[in-house]
Amino acid sequence: RKEVEQDPGPFNVPEGATVAFNCTYSNSASQSFFWYRQDCRKEPKLLMSVYSSGNEDGRFTAQLNRASQYISLLIRDSKLSDSATYLCVVSPLGGSQGNLIFGKGTKLSVKP
Amino acid sequence: EAQVTQNPRYLITVTGKKLTVTCSQNMNHEYMSWYRQDPGLGLRQIYYSMNVEVTDKGDVPEGYKVSRKEKRNFPLILESPSPNQTSLYFCASSLQGRSWETQYFGPGTRLLVL
Repeated sequence: RKEVEQDPGPFNVPEGATVAFNCTYSNSASQSFFWYRQDCRKEPKLLMSVYSSGNEDGRFTAQLNRASQYISLLIRDSKLSDSATYLCVVSPLGGSQGNLIFGKGTKLSVKP
Repeated sequence: EAQVTQNPRYLITVTGKKLTVTCSQNMNHEYMSWYRQDPGLGLRQIYYSMNVEVTDKGDVPEGYKVSRKEKRNFPLILESPSPNQTSLYFCASSLQGRSWETQYFGPGTRLLVL
């Protein structure tokens, strides 16, 4: 069964906090992994791809653990503007986006 | 500006009245896709197209049709809408539909079927 599971939200954190989201996937043949961000009532936008060696983009760090089949997103020094829903996205088939699977999302609310 | 556009953005209709939601991209992308997003269910793929005249079913294709006659357009057709098709619909595109590519989403279409 295709499945991507994310932390149940919402996460309510103060500005400046560090917050981490986890996501597990069931298909061990999954090839590509992403975090998308979706603001309220808006379209999803790519936040970052997740590479096997882990990758960082400013305050955001993504990690992949293939053995345990999970990916994570760490946000340091949270800003009010980080408030959004974060979607974990997995591509289970090699070479095609035809079966992208989206997690249900984790809502983050950063408070002053 | 590179973008995916959808029309209409908001639509209220009645059961059984055929409707079409248009999607257009100006990035010369080969891959296009339609999703619906419902509370508690997340984004689910309806149909996708790897190129002109090539379309495939996603996870929830029942009640929908698509066509891909031109590279830039990928309309979603509801021949006989029902209330369970009330949802937020997103069109998306990517360069060639390869698993590592970024998907670019349109702004969404909110559909209410009475």
